[in-house]
Amino acid sequence: ELKVEQNPLFLSMQEGKNYTIYCNYSTTSDRLYWYRQDPGKSLESLFVLLSNGAVKQEGRLMASLDTKARLSTLHITAAVHDLSATYFCAVDIYGGSQGNLIFGKGTKLSVKP
Amino acid sequence: DVKVTQSSRYLVKRTGEKVFLECVQDMDHENMFWYRQDPGLGLRLIYFSYDVKMKEKGDIPEGYSVSREKKERFSLILESASTNQTSMYLCASSLGSGRRQTEAFFGQGTRLTVV
Repeated sequence: ELKVEQNPLFLSMQEGKNYTIYCNYSTTSDRLYWYRQDPGKSLESLFVLLSNGAVKQEGRLMASLDTKARLSTLHITAAVHDLSATYFCAVDIYGGSQGNLIFGKGTKLSVKP
Repeated sequence: DVKVTQSSRYLVKRTGEKVFLECVQDMDHENMFWYRQDPGLGLRLIYFSYDVKMKEKGDIPEGYSVSREKKERFSLILESASTNQTSMYLCASSLGSGRRQTEAFFGQGTRLTVV
């Protein structure tokens, strides 16, 4: 059974600190996505990682993909309150299933002053 | 910008009612998806469709059906709503297939309560 595991599931951090969220998956894939969800809202696409070694950065967030290790990381630099949200990774097991995304359970990030 | 629109933000229905959740996308995407999101369980795929009149079961199709008569519209149907179907329902769409597929774009969600 394909598994996508995120850790931690809950993260409380202070403003100005750095931290990394991990996304491990159990099958071969070289396509992974990161989404952000604010409370009561839908999912917003953050990063699209399409190959081994891919690295994308937007503001204080940087995502990377290591397909050999089946691992993606979302690194937060100098956190600010506005980054408080739930972050999901999703692995694409495209092929016969025509692009079925498997989501991690999400990491709820709370940034405190 | 891609727009995926779900017909209702909030719905309250009675047990046993037939419930229709509608989703429309305006970017000519081939693929459309219905997920439900529950605390502690993340997102789970109910059904998806990669073409008009085509559908595939996801992880939790029991108690649901879908309809895709037009490319832009994907409907989720609860044939006889039950309280365990109280959840947040998310519709998504994406373009292409296989390695040419884009990421999924999500609608705003429908919070359904079955009483």
